[in-house]
Amino acid sequence: EAGVAQSPRYKIIEKRQSVAFWCNPISGHATLYWYQQILGQGPKLLIQFQNNGVVDDSQLPKDRFSAERLKGVDSTLKIQPAKLEDSAVYLCASSPIRRPSSGRYNEQFFGPGTRLTVL
Amino acid sequence: DQQVKQNSPSLSVQEGRISILNCDYTNSMFDYFLWYKKYPAEGPTFLISISSIKDKNEDGRFTVFLNKSAKHLSLHIVPSQPGDSAVYFCAASARSGYALNFGKGTSLLVTP
Repeated sequence: EAGVAQSPRYKIIEKRQSVAFWCNPISGHATLYWYQQILGQGPKLLIQFQNNGVVDDSQLPKDRFSAERLKGVDSTLKIQPAKLEDSAVYLCASSPIRRPSSGRYNEQFFGPGTRLTVL
Repeated sequence: DQQVKQNSPSLSVQEGRISILNCDYTNSMFDYFLWYKKYPAEGPTFLISISSIKDKNEDGRFTVFLNKSAKHLSLHIVPSQPGDSAVYFCAASARSGYALNFGKGTSLLVTP
């Protein structure tokens, strides 16, 4: 099956500019996540969708970040305006609704990420 | 606050030997624990996971051990191969379908 697709793969912008990232999850996966991975750190959740509804956006800096998943399939994440500290890899992941007895507990499938550099 | 901790930033092991990667957590509500492997310029890929009701799970060369009383888990790779060289992330979540809390990762280098 096709994996999680993300674009662009790389983006360089000046601070105070805006940027948008796109994610297409694995077909049939109801849950979609956006994670931010700063250099030297592990991924950190920004927002989680179940179909087209938001499950958790408690760590999303809502003054500058926004995300949507209008038809319960693909999703966009936007930053406006960008700051230097937003330089990171933005990872999209998706997961099916799977019973824990499968043994692959809470497995999430990650895309290749978008590396953002803010100058 | 970092709820999942990987205190060893790097580890070097000879090919054929055992690699042991460690992870500690602080949140007693975590039910599922996962290990992900990451190569440069790629997203993390799932390796193995374990539920809090078990203390061991094995998949080929990879075994994960969970010590709930110590809030500690470890990943054993036997035998280690050069292709195992990557960054390994420990992750945990409270329930299935919940977001993952990641550690900072351990960079494993397997030398021939």
